[in-house]
Amino acid sequence: AQTVTQSQPEMSVQEAETVTLSCTYDTSESDYYLFWYKQPPSRQMILVIRQEAYKQQNATENRFSVNFQKAAKSFSLKISDSQLGDAAMYFCAYRSQYLSRGSQGNLIFGKGTKLSVKP
Amino acid sequence: NAGVTQTPKFRVLKTGQSMTLLCAQDMNHEYMYWYRQDPGMGLRLIHYSVGEGTTAKGEVPDGYNVSRLKKQNFLLGLESAAPSQTSVYFCASSYGQQETQYFGPGTRLLVL
Repeated sequence: AQTVTQSQPEMSVQEAETVTLSCTYDTSESDYYLFWYKQPPSRQMILVIRQEAYKQQNATENRFSVNFQKAAKSFSLKISDSQLGDAAMYFCAYRSQYLSRGSQGNLIFGKGTKLSVKP
Repeated sequence: NAGVTQTPKFRVLKTGQSMTLLCAQDMNHEYMYWYRQDPGMGLRLIHYSVGEGTTAKGEVPDGYNVSRLKKQNFLLGLESAAPSQTSVYFCASSYGQQETQYFGPGTRLLVL
């Protein structure tokens, strides 16, 4: 079974600085997707960024980028020029590509990292 | 386009009571999911559906039932609520199994 580990329960960053959130995962599959979701105090789960495992190029979305290391099974999120609105819980998630291989198509989440942004 | 909506937003139940949580999506998505989120546990899959009229069990299905009578709606039922079901419940939907899942705002349930 796949697992996702976020080893940093809490992180803090100064406004306008850069922070990196760590995520590692365990899988025997070669094809899968990885995600970072943001959950602000409103509890709404918001997709931040998505990475297909077959793509070597790291995904980027404006100030958010990932460092995807497939061999190391590592998927970290870098937030540049941090803003007060970035304060939230961040969840790393994994999903198999193929439903037929016993996957339910669901996301497997890590336990989250709480990010605080200091003004 | 409202996306994924959930009702109610918050509910308090007594042990043994029943209730139904409603999830609705207007994106014509085939796949729908119910997750629960507990402190320090991340989100875990309860049940899911790959199309109208189909449902299947997820990781933590005990104590819950679901129905998908209409493509746009996915109902989660608690027949006899227990304090262990106190949680925040999220519905999600996606166009296909490989597509991004979009989440509703969540329902906070407290079982006394």
